[in-house]
Amino acid sequence: DSGVTQTPKHLITATGQRVTLRCSPRSGDLSVYWYQQSLDQGLQFLIQYYNGEERAKGNILERFSAQQFPDLHSELNLSSLELGDSALYFCASSPPSYNEQFFGPGTRLTVL
Amino acid sequence: AQSVSQHNHHVILSEAASLELGCNYSYGGTVNLFWYVQYPGQHLQLLLKYFSGDPLVKGIKGFEAEFIKSKFSFNLRKPSVQWSDTAEYFCAVNPPGAGSYQLTFGKGTKLSVIP
Repeated sequence: DSGVTQTPKHLITATGQRVTLRCSPRSGDLSVYWYQQSLDQGLQFLIQYYNGEERAKGNILERFSAQQFPDLHSELNLSSLELGDSALYFCASSPPSYNEQFFGPGTRLTVL
Repeated sequence: AQSVSQHNHHVILSEAASLELGCNYSYGGTVNLFWYVQYPGQHLQLLLKYFSGDPLVKGIKGFEAEFIKSKFSFNLRKPSVQWSDTAEYFCAVNPPGAGSYQLTFGKGTKLSVIP
């Protein structure tokens, strides 16, 4: 158990819908990262927040957005879902020293 | 494009065999390097990391990796694998100048260890 929690574990939805994935970082970690893992693209960095502010953006689609709240939990919002958005979405957190990321168990999203 | 390459998609070994998984990256400059493992049904766990210093890095569970700057490589090794090492292994790089500690991952190598 890494100390990073993600909910829900599984999500099944239809094309065109919108979903929200939630992540709670380890106690004391200020940074939250979101990654997408799919069969064809592998593990790809989406976005990072540090203490409530966006720090870095990767290959995140415009239909996707994220935020980090004052209690440091983060949410990833995926809208206008397409079949290709089906993937495992991981959240990771890191301490202020930044030298290691701790990954959550992931949310498996299936878009039908 | 700048990337991280893992040479083997799937490796099958018998218990007690030696393991070497290749990882090459294409970034110039100073990089931070990592190997993560994902056991079936579990989250990614850090095996080892290299930031600077001794290029031979020892990690958990008997794994080690060697950073060879001239070859842009960071290969993972274990002298004698066990059935419990069956998992997927990911090499990752924190690219220089990224502005954060985001990770760029290789595609992963599935290791199957036969008892």
